Amino acid sequence: EPEVTQTPSHQVTQMGQEVILRCVPISNHLYFYWYRQILGQKVEFLVSFYNNEISEKSEIFDDQFSVERPDGSNFTLKIRSTKLEDSAMYFCARGGTGGAFNGYTFGSGTRLTVV
Amino acid sequence: SQQGEEDPQALSIQEGENATMNCSYKTSINNLQWYRQNSGRGLVHLILIRSNEREKHSGRLRVTLDTSKKSSSLLITASRAADTASYFCATEWDSSYKLIFGSGTRLLVRP
Repeated sequence: EPEVTQTPSHQVTQMGQEVILRCVPISNHLYFYWYRQILGQKVEFLVSFYNNEISEKSEIFDDQFSVERPDGSNFTLKIRSTKLEDSAMYFCARGGTGGAFNGYTFGSGTRLTVV
Repeated sequence: SQQGEEDPQALSIQEGENATMNCSYKTSINNLQWYRQNSGRGLVHLILIRSNEREKHSGRLRVTLDTSKKSSSLLITASRAADTASYFCATEWDSSYKLIFGSGTRLLVRP
């Protein structure tokens, strides 16, 4: 199966700026996810996306966050006005294919640094 | 909240020894998964064990699940220096298709 690819691998942004993190390519999967990991801390669930809609979101996923699948393949996470505490690794993931579930496939992550 | 919590937080062993990591969780699960993360890199799925399974093997990995104690263990046999990484357990609930991760165990395998 194709890997989950994330771009960019590293992004530095000014506080208050908007960032868009991308997850490509995506094909033939129903469930997509965004997770984040603040340096040295555990991996935290942000949002799940099923059938082109948000399925579930965590308390972290407030109004500053949004997800889209604009062209049916790319899957994006937008942070409208970044804060210092948004600095983290952001991971995209997809669920298993078909009826057999054998674990999630994670992308290599985008390291977001807010200065 | 339903978090997987792991112990030990850090483990240092000699190459060739076995490494055992434990994970505990709080509520009913659909399955429990183990992931590996090399420093600063992505998460790699290692193995999944369903709630109706008690033990599973994959190569040098052995995972056990005790739902009565809400705990799991990951055993890496005959460890290698390349096994050095952080290992996370993650649970998937009965009613939710998402993973809740534990805090991880940092494994160092000395050559």
